[in-house]
Amino acid sequence: DAGVIQSPRHEVTEMGQEVTLRCKPISGHNSLFWYRQTMMRGLELLIYFNNNVPIDDSGMPEDRFSAKMPNASFSTLKIQPSEPRDSAVYFCASSLSGGGNEKLFFGSGTQLSVL
Amino acid sequence: AQKVTQAQTEISVVEKEDVTLDCVYETRDTTYYLFWYKQPPSGELVFLIRRNSFDEQNEISGRYSWNFQKSTSSFNFTITASQVVDSAVYFCALSHNNAGNMLTFGGGTRLMVKP
Repeated sequence: DAGVIQSPRHEVTEMGQEVTLRCKPISGHNSLFWYRQTMMRGLELLIYFNNNVPIDDSGMPEDRFSAKMPNASFSTLKIQPSEPRDSAVYFCASSLSGGGNEKLFFGSGTQLSVL
Repeated sequence: AQKVTQAQTEISVVEKEDVTLDCVYETRDTTYYLFWYKQPPSGELVFLIRRNSFDEQNEISGRYSWNFQKSTSSFNFTITASQVVDSAVYFCALSHNNAGNMLTFGGGTRLMVKP
């Protein structure tokens, strides 16, 4: 079975450019998460979708960040305009919906560098 | 508010040594779940174990064992007879019953096993 698929694996862009990260969750999973990992802040939850609906976006840093889940098999995280401080590894994860006890399956991450 | 603390940022051992990774958590919930994830150099986070707050039995899986002590809010992870392939960053995480599967991660412990 395919796991969570993220693209691109690496993205290098210049400050001010728009960046779009993509995620395909595991088929049948109805919860999807975007996490950001940095040395300074560790792993931070950005946004959580359940059945394609955003449930908690309190971790989204600011209005430059937006996430969508148009259907059960695809999600995007967009940064516009990007800034150097957005440089991080962005992980997408999916799980079966549950009461907090379901394990998350993570993608390989997108390494974003904003110059 | 939930919090997970992994006080050991980095541990270095020689192969075949036993090593324990500490995890202390804070939560006001009576029902919650604890997890350990491994992040090898390839970057992807891999699920290791899940524990619910009502089950304080220790668990052993091969060379891995986990000690959950509710009285001290700790969920420590021991690797017996460590191997070079165990080198990775290990994350402890916490979720609570009514938050879907949103995880609060600790800062991680980087384990280096030298031959």
